[in-house]
Amino acid sequence: RKEVEQDPGPFNVPEGATVAFNCTYSNSASQSFFWYRQDCRKEPKLLMSVYSSGNEDGRFTAQLNRASQYISLLIRDSKLSDSATYLCVVERAGGTSYGKLTFGQGTILTVHP
Amino acid sequence: DAGITQSPRHKVTETGTPVTLRCHQTENHRYMYWYRQDPGHGLRLIHYSYGVKDTDKGEVSDGYSVSRSKTEDFLLTLESATSSQTSVYFCAISEVAGETQYFGPGTRLLVL
Repeated sequence: RKEVEQDPGPFNVPEGATVAFNCTYSNSASQSFFWYRQDCRKEPKLLMSVYSSGNEDGRFTAQLNRASQYISLLIRDSKLSDSATYLCVVERAGGTSYGKLTFGQGTILTVHP
Repeated sequence: DAGITQSPRHKVTETGTPVTLRCHQTENHRYMYWYRQDPGHGLRLIHYSYGVKDTDKGEVSDGYSVSRSKTEDFLLTLESATSSQTSVYFCAISEVAGETQYFGPGTRLLVL
């Protein structure tokens, strides 16, 4: 099983749609979780951290389910500018892996007019 | 945006030649990382540093070496470049291990 697995998509949605991405992780000891966004030929940028209680930032909502070891990202009222690749990121935990992050391969989102 | 620069931004080189990529930060963050990104593989950690002169290997370190003589600079060297090292290389920094990493703009390397 991969450390972090995401549905690669692509997801093609119209403007204004709601879209959700899921991600599963294998290490139950992981403590930190993030969603990053990467535009074409650009560097990854932090979209939001994911907290156990769930958190929201404008149109974006992140949820963490530790029991099932999955993370979700919900985007409401999609904009054309949301088109990007979304990376699920999980802290590695234990031994020499401490402090390192594992990046999922990303989910491609295209928002069309 | 975090103050991270990478140089060069683009490089074309020939197999067997040495190549050094530079990452420079102005944030005074302790941790620095080198990743490569390839289609189908996502971001993979090459080497990282947890302080000046303190470095360790990541998951794809073969063929690469690093050095960190100052807090702000982290160098990645390909001793003898191979075509399999054609990739996009990203540097990242973080203040705390396991927490948010901030990325540089990347270096696109083509090894012919």
